[in-house]
Amino acid sequence: AQSVTQLDSQVPVFEEAPVELRCNYSSSVSVYLFWYVQYPNQGLQLLLKYLSGSTLVESINGFEAEFNKSQTSFHLRKPSVHISDTAEYFCAVSVQDSSASKIIFGSGTRLSIRP
Amino acid sequence: DAGVTQSPTHLIKTRGQHVTLRCSPISGHKSVSWYQQVLGQGPQFIFQYYEKEERGRGNFPDRFSARQFPNYSSELNVNALLLGDSALYLCASSPRTSGRNEQFFGPGTRLTVL
Repeated sequence: AQSVTQLDSQVPVFEEAPVELRCNYSSSVSVYLFWYVQYPNQGLQLLLKYLSGSTLVESINGFEAEFNKSQTSFHLRKPSVHISDTAEYFCAVSVQDSSASKIIFGSGTRLSIRP
Repeated sequence: DAGVTQSPTHLIKTRGQHVTLRCSPISGHKSVSWYQQVLGQGPQFIFQYYEKEERGRGNFPDRFSARQFPNYSSELNVNALLLGDSALYLCASSPRTSGRNEQFFGPGTRLTVL
């Protein structure tokens, strides 16, 4: 069975400091990996995705994630965070079976930025 | 273009009642999925519909049902509400059911069961 584990439920960091949000997945089939961000009282927004090709994927707002097949990880990083990055971040894997696709989410990591 | 829209935004019900939540996908998207997000947890898959047919179902009781209309909008119905059904219900649309397709999420409907 497929699953996603986010190792940290909360990550507090100071503004302009680097951050890494950890994510590990388990899947016996090809995986499509995603990071979603959820700002307070809002729905989910896609931050970045890995489908195939380069193992390093980037978002427009400075986040990046690296797909590591041997370690079954897809950690999210940003070299310098901003107050506006305060949100909950969900790592997810998209699973395709015979006729449907579903997204399996991790439990989320709450990123709080201190000034 | 408008994104995924959901209605209502908030809803308060009492135990035993039923509820209907509505979702309109992005224009041109034929697949709609429903997720339940309980406070403090990640979203859990409930259903996926494509071309008006149920294509996938998560581990939810039969009290949960859904349908998709010819215009690809969708309704999620929950009968005999329980306190544990209190959650944010998210709708997501995508062009097809391929796992490679990004699913676009709506803002959600927050259901409170008293």
